[in-house]
Amino acid sequence: DADVTQTPRNRITKTGKRIMLECSQTKGHDRMYWYRQDPGLGLQLIYYSFDVKDINKGEISDGYSVSRQAQAKFSLSLESAIPNQTALYFCATSDPTGGGNNEQFFGPGTRLTVL
Amino acid sequence: AQSVTQLDSQVPVFEEAPVELRCNYSSSVSVYLFWYVQYPNQGLQLLLKYLSGSTLVKGINGFEAEFNKSQTSFHLRKPSVHISDTAEYFCAVRGQGAQKLVFGQGTRLTINP
Repeated sequence: DADVTQTPRNRITKTGKRIMLECSQTKGHDRMYWYRQDPGLGLQLIYYSFDVKDINKGEISDGYSVSRQAQAKFSLSLESAIPNQTALYFCATSDPTGGGNNEQFFGPGTRLTVL
Repeated sequence: AQSVTQLDSQVPVFEEAPVELRCNYSSSVSVYLFWYVQYPNQGLQLLLKYLSGSTLVKGINGFEAEFNKSQTSFHLRKPSVHISDTAEYFCAVRGQGAQKLVFGQGTRLTINP
């Protein structure tokens, strides 16, 4: 079974709709992240959470919100989707206790298309 | 703050040829460096990492990278590529004391038979 799962894997929606992307992990990590990937831009950080009570904005948080429901679950919401939010979205987790490594483990991604 | 530049957006090579994917970073503090690989329709997985010690780092699938502090580079190399190496490769940096990884723009490696 995958350690980091994302649902849905693909979603097509219309402008103005509310969308939620979900991420679950079985790695027992405290830290979780949401990124978006656009061709030629690499990965940009949207939000990150270091524990259930800690939520932080990343580079491109406008138009997005998150909820950390439990250590294992971190959801990303688009309150009113717009076409330029069409992208590939990744969830990741990390464990900072590994000697400063903070290696991140990624889910398989959610491909979101906003029409 | 840190930044990463991957100098090539696309690199085509023939099977069994050597390849080098270039990565330069900037940082005012010491860094940890990573290379991730993304195979088609998959998430990212760690290829190798530099934390400290030996500047030549070996990773999975025959890849290696060399940390060069004076040139602020962390180039990825493989002496002989296979069709299965076709993927996108991302260089990433985290400064000591920083909380976040900063990713480069990615390099798409295409292997031609």
